[in-house]
Amino acid sequence: GNSVTQMEGPVTLSEEAFLTINCTYTATGYPSLFWYVQYPGEGLQLLLKATKADDKGSNKGFEATYRKETTSFHLEKGSVQVSDSAVYFCALIETDKLIFGTGTRLQVFP
Amino acid sequence: DGGITQSPKYLFRKEGQNVTLSCEQNLNHDAMYWYRQDPGQGLRLIYYSQIVNDFQKGDIAEGYSVSREKKESFPLTVTSAQKNPTAFYLCASSMVMSGTGINEQFFGPGTRLTVL
Repeated sequence: GNSVTQMEGPVTLSEEAFLTINCTYTATGYPSLFWYVQYPGEGLQLLLKATKADDKGSNKGFEATYRKETTSFHLEKGSVQVSDSAVYFCALIETDKLIFGTGTRLQVFP
Repeated sequence: DGGITQSPKYLFRKEGQNVTLSCEQNLNHDAMYWYRQDPGQGLRLIYYSQIVNDFQKGDIAEGYSVSREKKESFPLTVTSAQKNPTAFYLCASSMVMSGTGINEQFFGPGTRLTVL
């Protein structure tokens, strides 16, 4: 079946550092891909999405490119802030539901 | 404001008791979902519903039950048969796009259930 694999965390960075969180997927066809963010004690918020190969999703300085050759959808940000500290989930659509990765915790220190 | 509400935010129950978690949405979404999240883990799908009066089991439905009598509401009951119910429960909803399946899901703030 379809699946999503994320790098294990926590990822610990200093403010203004470059961020990459790896996400790879296994799927039949080319499903839509998503990044969600969860701040402490809250639900998930959609951060960005890409619906077809080579699409780039972007929001709040975060970017991810749908790469079918490497079946990847890595999340990047050029300069992280303390307020970016959260858990990030990569996900894909499978027919009628989302398949989530296990999440990657990001900790940003001043 | 449109959105998804879950209540209560914190819920305590004694072992052996059933408890119902509320989820309401005013986004006019067709589909609704319940997830369970354990510390340090991802989301696991409990039940989902794409239309009123119909729902399907997810990956971990045992010990849970749901109903979908109204489009706006999708309550989850955690029964005494659920052996390890302490967790964070998240409700979500999405549009069902004809011919393309579901669109992205929107999440509520969650309910933290603790069994004493």
